[in-house]
Amino acid sequence: SAVISQKPSRDICQRGTSLTIQCQVDSQVTMMFWYRQQPGQSLTLIATANQGSEATYESGFVIDKFPISRPNLTFSTLTVSNMSPEDSSIYLCSVQDEDYEQYFGPGTRLTVT
Amino acid sequence: QKEVEQNSGPLSVPEGAIASLNCTYSDRGSQSFFWYRQYSGKSPELIMFIYSNGDKEDGRFTAQLNKASQYVSLLIRDSQPSDSATYLCAVNTDKLIFGTGTRLQVFP
Repeated sequence: SAVISQKPSRDICQRGTSLTIQCQVDSQVTMMFWYRQQPGQSLTLIATANQGSEATYESGFVIDKFPISRPNLTFSTLTVSNMSPEDSSIYLCSVQDEDYEQYFGPGTRLTVT
Repeated sequence: QKEVEQNSGPLSVPEGAIASLNCTYSDRGSQSFFWYRQYSGKSPELIMFIYSNGDKEDGRFTAQLNKASQYVSLLIRDSQPSDSATYLCAVNTDKLIFGTGTRLQVFP
């Protein structure tokens, strides 16, 4: 399986600011995903990020709040914009292989004060 | 109706016993099914996947799929305290849908 890294691993941010999370994969992958996991909850898909096209957002998530870049087949960023305490969560990127198996990065733990 | 349902637990089993984790799903068109293990403070780790009806075994883990009943399960034989974690069932329709997870506690 691919090796996935995320930066930062954690951050504490003030409300109203923005944070960009980076996801790096050690091999080329077509499909990358961004998830959110709030405390004690399961994973919620934010968007699918395919290289060369606009990200596809799930219901309840909008590009203005969560802009995503996918400049190449090994890298993606997710920005959490104009943060509020409700955005405090773990943000995870994942990649999917040709067998539809998804593997997750270590996550970014975000606290908004 | 939730798309993927799991009992939240905790499921407590003694060391050496069989732990049985269950999951039901609503979309009959689902083609692939996954079990992830998530330790506290860590990201989910893929441990099993199954595509066809029946059983699939990998070491101490067995995944069971019954598409007619829309039911998938995970059996962990010879449970160890290190198996204590939350187990997430995920079902692939046009995207991966996760259940809320079952917390497993294996006590010595």
